[in-house]
Amino acid sequence: EVQLVESGGGLVQPGGSLRLSCAASGFTFNRHSFNWVRQAPGRGLEWISYIAGSSDTVYYADSVQGRFTISRDNGKNALYLQMNNLRAEDTAVYYCARDMVGVGRVVCDLWGQGTLVTVSS
Amino acid sequence: DIQMTQSPSSLSASVGDRVTITCQASQDITNYLNWYQHKPGKAPKLLIYDGSNLETGVPSRFSGGGFGTDFTLTISSLQPEDVATYYCQQFDILPPIFGPGTKVHIK
Repeated sequence: EVQLVESGGGLVQPGGSLRLSCAASGFTFNRHSFNWVRQAPGRGLEWISYIAGSSDTVYYADSVQGRFTISRDNGKNALYLQMNNLRAEDTAVYYCARDMVGVGRVVCDLWGQGTLVTVSS
Repeated sequence: DIQMTQSPSSLSASVGDRVTITCQASQDITNYLNWYQHKPGKAPKLLIYDGSNLETGVPSRFSGGGFGTDFTLTISSLQPEDVATYYCQQFDILPPIFGPGTKVHIK
């Protein structure tokens, strides 16, 4: 089955760290670039990071630049998001999203169900 | 950054109605525009890419149009399963900004 499954969310104190994982299955992982997109409570979708298939290109939203790090392991079909120095405003459901192959831009044709991150003391 | 606006922010229509959502970009994005459907507790779903291309498996009652700065998503005959929030997203220039969303309800 073609799917993405996120894990690693939870409750963390402000200033803390968390590492999210996204396990991919059912398709050729290294052919696709990937993104992390989040949705804060009551808010819309916010793109936060992109990684190319070979990890040679990464991008971040200004809101997480310098605090979050995206990475991938093509041998394990896995995507990661290391989140440091977390703030209350980082509270959200985090989705991993696969880019359509061959587009070279952010066109998310497969999404996971999301994992909830809550930053609170 | 490119700014994206959507209208209306919410709408209520009857089953079988034709529904149109508009999306406007703050600058020309040619046809680099996607539409997504998001139901509560579910994964977002790509409906339309490149402004007007229907994603595989998406019902043909969904269609997209527009070019440059003004775009539309149309549901030709609203169904109960279409209750969701719909987002446009530009992918011409980083960051790939999403619109604020349009909530669709059934009367």
